[in-house]
Amino acid sequence: ETGVTQTPRHLVMGMTNKKSLKCEQHLGHNAMYWYKQSAKKPLELMFVYNFKEQTENNSVPSRFSPECPNSSHLFLHLHTLQPEDSALYLCASSHLLAGRSSGANVLTFGAGSRLTVL
Amino acid sequence: GNSVTQMEGPVTLSEEAFLTINCTYTATGYPSLFWYVQYPGEGLQLLLKATKADDKGSNKGFEATYRKETTSFHLEKGSVQVSDSAVYFCALKGNFNKFYFGSGTKLNVKP
Repeated sequence: ETGVTQTPRHLVMGMTNKKSLKCEQHLGHNAMYWYKQSAKKPLELMFVYNFKEQTENNSVPSRFSPECPNSSHLFLHLHTLQPEDSALYLCASSHLLAGRSSGANVLTFGAGSRLTVL
Repeated sequence: GNSVTQMEGPVTLSEEAFLTINCTYTATGYPSLFWYVQYPGEGLQLLLKATKADDKGSNKGFEATYRKETTSFHLEKGSVQVSDSAVYFCALKGNFNKFYFGSGTKLNVKP
């Protein structure tokens, strides 16, 4: 497989369930991201991992728990979610270069996991 | 801080019409600018990019020019096709590899 793969593509869960979203990239990138996409709102950056270390937590509620065991895999563990957490969750990766500004380093996205919380 | 503002949609055009989707940005420093496209049921795909002022990004007939004086990066295409129907996102990359996206503009092209 190539690119960024997300599973599952669709997930329906109750507010008391525990589930996980998985992301895997085969691009040799060393930075991985979780974004939340809700209707008519800008993409919300949730978490950033550079070289497996979390470098950004954008005030995300603790009911979302990320895990990055290596540079190729990223998880988002979900527990006691609310209906307003229903959204498309997008994983992305990029190549992190040294320095404050690393040129036109681009994000490559997965197809997303559509989450519905009942 | 960094932010991106793009025109609200949806934009509805007939096939072969001219397309413009406006995008303006606020940034500290010298960001790189991007347009991404999202087709139904898919993630975002890079459409084009520009890394410095006056650069023009182009791909698949789409173009956008990095205008520092007006802090804009408007997307244009001379003749749209039905297959261009999608949601288009303007984005900037600031320092420390952080990306900021607009809210997206949905384009509907009718035959």
